[in-house]
Amino acid sequence: KQEVTQIPAALSVPEGENLVLNCSFTDSAIYNLQWFRQDPGKGLTSLLLIQSSQREQTSGRLNASLDKSSGRSTLYIAASQPGDSATYLCAVRRYNQGGKLIFGQGTELSVKP
Amino acid sequence: NAGVTQTPKFQVLKTGQSMTLQCAQDMNHNSMYWYRQDPGMGLRLIYYSASEGTTDKGEVPNGYNVSRLNKREFSLRLESAAPSQTSVYFCASAIKSGDVNEKLFFGSGTQLSVL
Repeated sequence: KQEVTQIPAALSVPEGENLVLNCSFTDSAIYNLQWFRQDPGKGLTSLLLIQSSQREQTSGRLNASLDKSSGRSTLYIAASQPGDSATYLCAVRRYNQGGKLIFGQGTELSVKP
Repeated sequence: NAGVTQTPKFQVLKTGQSMTLQCAQDMNHNSMYWYRQDPGMGLRLIYYSASEGTTDKGEVPNGYNVSRLNKREFSLRLESAAPSQTSVYFCASAIKSGDVNEKLFFGSGTQLSVL
């Protein structure tokens, strides 16, 4: 059974700091991995999608990496800003069972001015 | 741009009552999904619809039914609400059915409390 874990559950950093969020998964038979952002009381917004054949994806100050063999992904946020404060979730789409997304529990990020 | 619209945003039910959560998307997407989000559990898939006229069970379908009314609309029904169904419910849609690299677009959620 695929399990997705995100550590830490919460993170607080000062503005301007570079930071890394971690995501690990137990089954490497995945099509892709996505990173989402969720603001309080809102739905999820897709940030980056990494296909299983890719090593990383970049969008602005965000860089996501994927190491399928070790079951790990990281989301790197450069020069963090208070507007980055949100919960970040990763999700993997697995080969079995119709390719459904399996979500981690998220990391709640707070960037202090 | 409306995107994915869910109604209602908040709902309080008594145990045993029924209700339907509505979801509509205006992006001409084929796939639609219902998730629930609970503290410490992450998002879990309840039901999904790969295309108009088809629906399939997800991880936690018990106590729920769905209807894909047309390409735009996908509703979730609780026939006899239970306190265990207290949760935040999210509807999502995706561009292309069968595309494993599809990106999901989410609605803003329905917060449901069952007393």
